[in-house]
Amino acid sequence: NAGVMQNPRHLVRRRGQEARLRCSPMKGHSHVYWYRQLPEEGLKFMVYLQKENIIDESGMPKERFSAEFPKEGPSILRIQQVVRGDSAAYFCASSPASGAGYFGPGTRLTVT
Amino acid sequence: GENVEQHPSTLSVQEGDSAVIKCTYSDSASNYFPWYKQELGKGPQLIIDIRSNVGEKKDQRIAVTLNKTAKHFSLHITETQPEDSAVYFCALSNGQNFVFGPGTRLSVLP
Repeated sequence: NAGVMQNPRHLVRRRGQEARLRCSPMKGHSHVYWYRQLPEEGLKFMVYLQKENIIDESGMPKERFSAEFPKEGPSILRIQQVVRGDSAAYFCASSPASGAGYFGPGTRLTVT
Repeated sequence: GENVEQHPSTLSVQEGDSAVIKCTYSDSASNYFPWYKQELGKGPQLIIDIRSNVGEKKDQRIAVTLNKTAKHFSLHITETQPEDSAVYFCALSNGQNFVFGPGTRLSVLP
């Protein structure tokens, strides 16, 4: 029973490029959460999705950031025109309902 | 939005001693309280959780207590071992998103 999968694990982008982060939830989980973590800091909620629906995106910047969780395939967090301040670890978590979240290993984004 | 305070921010204990981390919150609608352990370079790992209709839960050396009236919950680790060294995060949920505490860096000294 595979856990939450995230890819890529490390991503390097130049300023102005696009970053696409993928999250495959655990089997049977239909709820996905995305979090951002800066070095030596806590986890900041970004967005909560269910299949084909954004439930809560209150933690996600209004510009350049978008997220989706299609009927088929992984959840995608997309960052357009990346800036240095976007450099962070991005974690997704999945759950079978709005309960315990099981985290993936994260994607470490570096913007040069 | 909801604010979660977590104390202490750093904690050093001798191997074999106990460690206690406490979190306080303000939203009385919170009904689910998980604790996560994060090791360097890894994602947070759920170690124990408690729901609002329970006051205490134990799993081997780890226990969590919840005081809904006072709006605080605590993680207790007994007989600490060097492999317990990590950053620990409390979190809470009202059924929608999760809010995390700022974390406690626990060091268990051999």
